[in-house]
Amino acid sequence: GAGVSQTPSNKVTEKGKYVELRCDPISGHTALYWYRQSLGQGPEFLIYFQGTGAADDSGLPNDRFFAVRPEGSVSTLKIQRTERGDSAVYLCASSPGGSNTGELFFGEGSRLTVL
Amino acid sequence: DQQVKQNSPSLSVQEGRISILNCDYTNSMFDYFLWYKKYPAEGPTFLISISSIKDKNEDGRFTVFLNKSAKHLSLHIVPSQPGDSAVYFCAAPGSGNTGKLIFGQGTTLQVKP
Repeated sequence: GAGVSQTPSNKVTEKGKYVELRCDPISGHTALYWYRQSLGQGPEFLIYFQGTGAADDSGLPNDRFFAVRPEGSVSTLKIQRTERGDSAVYLCASSPGGSNTGELFFGEGSRLTVL
Repeated sequence: DQQVKQNSPSLSVQEGRISILNCDYTNSMFDYFLWYKKYPAEGPTFLISISSIKDKNEDGRFTVFLNKSAKHLSLHIVPSQPGDSAVYFCAAPGSGNTGKLIFGQGTTLQVKP
């Protein structure tokens, strides 16, 4: 399909393990965003990429969270030493450019459960 | 500090009636606002937006009203349909002109047949 693709759709892991979540944005979209949505809450911003660079990582909760986008397309969100509080749906979104006043296109999310 | 707030977690209306979803914000400098709709197990999808220089924007059954003096916006759906049952989020632009959005907590709308 032509939309934002996220894998895996579901991930169950144990506390302390390392997790990687992948996002494949819409082709040609230079802006990519990661959000986290906890139960009963709205999406919470984590990090924004314009091209290959992380232009705004102010939403990352701590240094266990890291994201990369080495070729300016696919992005990977990496979580080290997972904690139960990391359990959430991780959403990826893309848009044609960073400084627009338009919509973000979201993927279906990766549901992370930390036991 | 929650800059965008949706104080009603849920709303239930009868098919054919009007649904009104509310959103309050704290930052008077927001340039625009958006509403997103989310079905279970899907990502949020854009529904409608409004510029801060306008007080109303209409798209089919959906109308968004902006009251800047009250820092309040609302989404009206009329007539409501069962397929409108979803979670609705209002959103505003975050700082830094990056295109990132700040979302409210969401309101779950149930439209009963």
